[in-house]
Amino acid sequence: KAGVTQTPRYLIKTRGQQVTLSCSPISGHRSVSWYQQTPGQGLQFLFEYFSETQRNKGNFPGRFSGRQFSNSRSEMNVSTLELGDSALYLCASSLAGSRSYTFGSGTRLTVV
Amino acid sequence: GESVGLHLPTLSVQEGDNSIINCAYSNSASDYFIWYKQESGKGPQFIIDIRSNMDKRQGQRVTVLLNKTVKHLSLQIAATQPGDSAVYFCAENSGGSNYKLTFGKGTLLTVNP
Repeated sequence: KAGVTQTPRYLIKTRGQQVTLSCSPISGHRSVSWYQQTPGQGLQFLFEYFSETQRNKGNFPGRFSGRQFSNSRSEMNVSTLELGDSALYLCASSLAGSRSYTFGSGTRLTVV
Repeated sequence: GESVGLHLPTLSVQEGDNSIINCAYSNSASDYFIWYKQESGKGPQFIIDIRSNMDKRQGQRVTVLLNKTVKHLSLQIAATQPGDSAVYFCAENSGGSNYKLTFGKGTLLTVNP
């Protein structure tokens, strides 16, 4: 059974640009969450989607957005990139009703 | 606000010893806790979880203890192996309409051969 797949694995962007990250959850998992991981702030929750609806949102500026498609795949977008957005972005999926999340390997975003 | 923190940022043990990693949480509404292991270049990997109606739960070589009175949980790893070297995170969730995990800052476990 395939795990959570995130693409791309690595990304380098310039300040002011925008970026889109993709996540394919485990087959049958309908809940997808996104987290930002940095050395200074650790793992911080961005948002969670279920059946194409955002159910929770973390304390991030509006430049961070996401969406979920009917096949449960999810994307997150960051507009007007700042140097501080450099981080490992992790996607996690779970079965409906479960609070146990399986994480992907992440997308390492570097903003220069 | 709610937070989950770790007492020790680093832990170094000898191969074969038992390891204990601690975690304090402040949200009294938390009723579900997970320990994750993160190796370099990988995402967090589920190790074991525990619900607040339990004090102890055992897995393969791992045991999680929950003390709700002092809002503390710990992860015990028996016969620690070099492959156990990683960063360990505790995470909590308070259920209901809360679908996010709140993570502690992590403990780096180093196992010396």
